Amino acid sequence: DSGVTQTPKHLITATGQRVTLRCSPRSGDLSVYWYQQSLDQGLQFLIQYYNGEERAKGNILERFSAQQFPDLHSELNLSSLELGDSALYFCASSVWTGELFFGEGSRLTVL
Amino acid sequence: GENVEQHPSTLSVQEGDSAVIKCTYSDSASNYFPWYKQELGKRPQLIIDIRSNVGEKKDQRIAVTLNKTAKHFSLHITETQPEDSAVYFCAASKDNQGGKLIFGQGTELSVKP
Repeated sequence: DSGVTQTPKHLITATGQRVTLRCSPRSGDLSVYWYQQSLDQGLQFLIQYYNGEERAKGNILERFSAQQFPDLHSELNLSSLELGDSALYFCASSVWTGELFFGEGSRLTVL
Repeated sequence: GENVEQHPSTLSVQEGDSAVIKCTYSDSASNYFPWYKQELGKRPQLIIDIRSNVGEKKDQRIAVTLNKTAKHFSLHITETQPEDSAVYFCAASKDNQGGKLIFGQGTELSVKP
C-alpha cells in the first residue's frame, strides 16, 4: 500500500460525458501528479500541483483540468470524453522531489 | 522539454541470466533518474534510483549506472528470476521542477524458467 488513494477504481461512461477522478496523497506529501497510461503506452505526465498551486503541465488536453484543494486532495476532470481517452489514470504524490508514490489507478473506459 | 528514450521495448531472458535496459535523456539539467517496476495490473513502484553526482548504485541483484556526459543510464538485473517479469520504466527529472518525472516508453521483461 503506497498510501495514495484513488477513486473510483473503474469507470465506464459514454462519449461526450464528463467524469471526475479523485486522489488523496500520502500523509505529509504536498505534491500531486497525474499520469495517463493508455494501452501499450508509457506513463504520460499530465499535470503537477504543489500545495494547491499548479507547478508543471505536460501534454494535458484542454478538455482536461485538475485542481488541488486545501486538504491536498486532487481531482482530475475529463470532459467531452472521446474513445481515445480510455486509459488508466494514475495519481502520484511526493514531498517535493525524489520518489513518487503511485496510487492503484482509475481505469476509465469510454464507450 | 525533457525526452527519455528507452530500449529495448521487449526483452526475454532465461532464468539466471542478466538483463540490461538502457535509457537516454535529452535535458542535461536533469539530475534524478529512477527506475520503476510495474507488474501486470498494478501500480508502478520504485526499485532503484540514482542522482547525477553518483556514477553507479547497487541494491542486491539490481544496479543502475549513469553516464552524464553521454546522457545515458542503464538498469542491470543479475540472476534474473521469474518474479522479475514486469514492465520496467526509466525516468528523469530536475529537482528544481519539483519532482515531475518524464518516463521512457517502458521495457517488458520476460524471464523464462
